[in-house]
Amino acid sequence: AQSVTQPDIHITVSEGASLELRCNYSYGATPYLFWYVQSPGQGLQLLLKYFSGDTLVQGIKGFEAEFKRSQSSFNLRKPSVHWSDAAEYFCAVGAGSGNTGKLIFGQGTTLQVKP
Amino acid sequence: EPEVTQTPSHQVTQMGQEVILRCVPISNHLYFYWYRQILGQKVEFLVSFYNNEISEKSEIFDDQFSVERPDGSNFTLKIRSTKLEDSAMYFCASSAFGRDIQYFGAGTRLSVL
Repeated sequence: AQSVTQPDIHITVSEGASLELRCNYSYGATPYLFWYVQSPGQGLQLLLKYFSGDTLVQGIKGFEAEFKRSQSSFNLRKPSVHWSDAAEYFCAVGAGSGNTGKLIFGQGTTLQVKP
Repeated sequence: EPEVTQTPSHQVTQMGQEVILRCVPISNHLYFYWYRQILGQKVEFLVSFYNNEISEKSEIFDDQFSVERPDGSNFTLKIRSTKLEDSAMYFCASSAFGRDIQYFGAGTRLSVL
């Protein structure tokens, strides 16, 4: 069955420290993968996507993610976290039948940033 | 930048009542979606809609739910007889193509009392 797992429910990092949020997926075909961020009271904003090609993808706000097929992972990274990065982060896999775009989301990781 | 807008931001209703959640997708997008997020849980797919018909739906999307694109701009989700367990944040999303980036609205928080 198609699924996404984010093993870390809550992560706390100090401002300026590096960040890695983990995401593992289960999908039979070549996946297309996303990271979204949700700030309190806001909708889901796309950080980055992987469809094909270069396995290291760059996104907005200095985020990047690396697709590793052998590990079924798509981890999100940022070299230096800012206080404004505190939010909830969702990994998702596109899993629609045919040409539909159903997304399956992970449980989310809440990021807290210490000053 | 174009965005998906949802109204209302918060809807309170009594159990058994009908509710309609409204969404205005990005104007040139062709694929439309509803998701929901029960408090503390993951975002779950409900339904996708293309070419004026449902293209895929989840097990959650039972006969109590329906979607409609009544005109060229709005996309609605109707829940005929709300239950307590329908309380959740409902997100609308749209995309230009099926396997493409989905842009999400800010959500409607539905509270069923």
